[in-house]
Amino acid sequence: DIQMTQSPASLSASLGETVTIQCRASEDIYSGLAWYQQKPGKSPQLLIYGASSLQDGVPSRFSGSGSGTQYSLKISSMQTEDEGVYFCQQGLKYPLTFGSGTKLEIK
Amino acid sequence: EVQLVESGGGLVQPGRSLKLSCAASGFTFSNYYMAWVRQAPKKGLEWVATISTSGSRTYYPDSVKGRFTISRDNAKSSLYLQMNSLKSEDTATYYCARDFQPYNNYGWFAYWGQGTLVTVSS
Repeated sequence: DIQMTQSPASLSASLGETVTIQCRASEDIYSGLAWYQQKPGKSPQLLIYGASSLQDGVPSRFSGSGSGTQYSLKISSMQTEDEGVYFCQQGLKYPLTFGSGTKLEIK
Repeated sequence: EVQLVESGGGLVQPGRSLKLSCAASGFTFSNYYMAWVRQAPKKGLEWVATISTSGSRTYYPDSVKGRFTISRDNAKSSLYLQMNSLKSEDTATYYCARDFQPYNNYGWFAYWGQGTLVTVSS
């Protein structure tokens, strides 16, 4: 199984600050990576697919990058509505696997 | 508007069975791979099952293989999850999720239901 390791587990950021979350796969996943945001009591929302493509309706301050085993999600200017938990997920091979999540809060 | 509405969750004793349903609307259900993803209380996300557009192919992780069965009824735009031999570790909110784009199995989920809570306890 492909293991997805996310870091950090939690972080706090000020309004307007740039935030970066990392995700490492245990083997090459050839950009088969998605990022989700989950707010308290809500379902996850797809932000990024194919490692770097922005899902329709997602603000442009979100961006994804990476290749091979190393990927990152960047929020270019932290907003209050960006608080939540972020998960990475590989879609390359079954079993599909998620990272453990990064809890993002406003400082 | 795409809508996925789960039902069927509840409290069940260990070893018993439960069947979840997901009613889909707002898209051509038969064109999409569908999946179930669960989330234990205060925990992360765990993929549970995926089914192909026709229902001919199904995929499961080892944690539920042999106990859970995913199925679909394209005429009713409905997805199901039959869960047998339930264990306490199956306690979670179960989400119905639609694959990213039609026909192909991308393995990413563009739409999710609101979830239904399954509690396995005596």
